[in-house]
Amino acid sequence: SQQGEEDPQALSIQEGENATMNCSYKTSINNLQWYRQNSGRGLVHLILIRSNEREKHSGRLRVTLDTSKKSSSLLITASRAADTASYFCATSSGNTPLVFGKGTRLSVIA
Amino acid sequence: EAQVTQNPRYLITVTGKKLTVTCSQNMNHEYMSWYRQDPGLGLRQIYYSMNVEVTDKGDVPEGYKVSRKEKRNFPLILESPSPNQTSLYFCASNPWGAPGDEQFFGPGTRLTVL
Repeated sequence: SQQGEEDPQALSIQEGENATMNCSYKTSINNLQWYRQNSGRGLVHLILIRSNEREKHSGRLRVTLDTSKKSSSLLITASRAADTASYFCATSSGNTPLVFGKGTRLSVIA
Repeated sequence: EAQVTQNPRYLITVTGKKLTVTCSQNMNHEYMSWYRQDPGLGLRQIYYSMNVEVTDKGDVPEGYKVSRKEKRNFPLILESPSPNQTSLYFCASNPWGAPGDEQFFGPGTRLTVL
């Protein structure tokens, strides 16, 4: 039951640039979350945005949510080589488990 | 240190040989779950548990068993592993018992079934 779908699948940028990745989903949600995964390691929770919120910030991260378009974006400002990772969105609907997308692979080149 | 631990981290086995991957969390979390991650398919949930003695199937439960006899442990059992269960497995937990809340992930177990 795939819900979130990230775009692009892969993104390569220079250090210092901003990185934007998007997530689209199909059904109404309670919240949407973004996770980071360094190669072969466990996922780390970055940020959660609830369906009644439009924007949220955490350090260099900015997440927006547009429930009318069923989409979210994750912006990483002033990217660093250490931001190189895969980023996943995950959606929560009702009392059902989180459903993860397939991820965006971000490469930040020093 | 608050964490989710998994053992083993790497395992190579043969078809049909029963195995167990352990998962333990020291945060007194209510909710625990298992995922598998495959290239091109993302993370898919295998089983989850909202509390002790309560388990439910996720999206891909076939070929797996779980148990939740204690709050801290949630082992994943493959009774008769097959090559299509070769994957990267993650255990996760959250404190609130609600399956849609923030998840804390373990480091992963890379399983190869020959």
